[in-house]
Amino acid sequence: GQQVMQIPQYQHVQEGEDFTTYCNSSTTLSNIQWYKQRPGGHPVFLIQLVKSGEVKKQKRLTFQFGEAKKNSSLHITATQTTDVGTYFCAGPDLYSGTYKYIFGTGTRLKVLA
Amino acid sequence: ETGVTQTPRHLVMGMTNKKSLKCEQHLGHNAMYWYKQSAKKPLELMFVYNFKEQTENNSVPSRFSPECPNSSHLFLHLHTLQPEDSALYLCASSQGRGLDTGELFFGEGSRLTVL
Repeated sequence: GQQVMQIPQYQHVQEGEDFTTYCNSSTTLSNIQWYKQRPGGHPVFLIQLVKSGEVKKQKRLTFQFGEAKKNSSLHITATQTTDVGTYFCAGPDLYSGTYKYIFGTGTRLKVLA
Repeated sequence: ETGVTQTPRHLVMGMTNKKSLKCEQHLGHNAMYWYKQSAKKPLELMFVYNFKEQTENNSVPSRFSPECPNSSHLFLHLHTLQPEDSALYLCASSQGRGLDTGELFFGEGSRLTVL
């Protein structure tokens, strides 16, 4: 079945350093979404990318969708303690004919003040 | 407030108990989901309902029984669970229409502990 992997699994950075997480799917995705889950919280939607090669920015966050629509990345510039949490990518498995979102394994970010 | 409400927030049950988790969404969405989140598998899809019809059962053991009486409510009935079923159970909803299924809105989850 479809798999979505993320690397790294964990990342510790000093406040002010940059951070990047990478997402790779075993199949082509029609779109990709990113979510953030704070410790003790629930996943919250950040953004959706649809077009091949698309790049979107949200303040210090930059999201990119690969040309082949099988990979994506999230880059955070100058991390802050509020960025702490686990970041998930997710893609719909539309080839199964169901409304099924496959989530990546997640990258847990810790920011040291 | 995400528009998706889950109850109870915490549940402790023995292996012989029968309990239910409830999810209600106030967003007018058509698709609802159950996810299991544990340390071993971060976000594991269990069931998908679209317009009250189950469209996905991701090889979930029969001790988990979903019910979707209408597009706004989703239940997860639990019976004869095992300790390894202890996890955070997350309900989510989305528009569930066409190719653009839209973002998922998650509830705050039900933390289940099986003794």
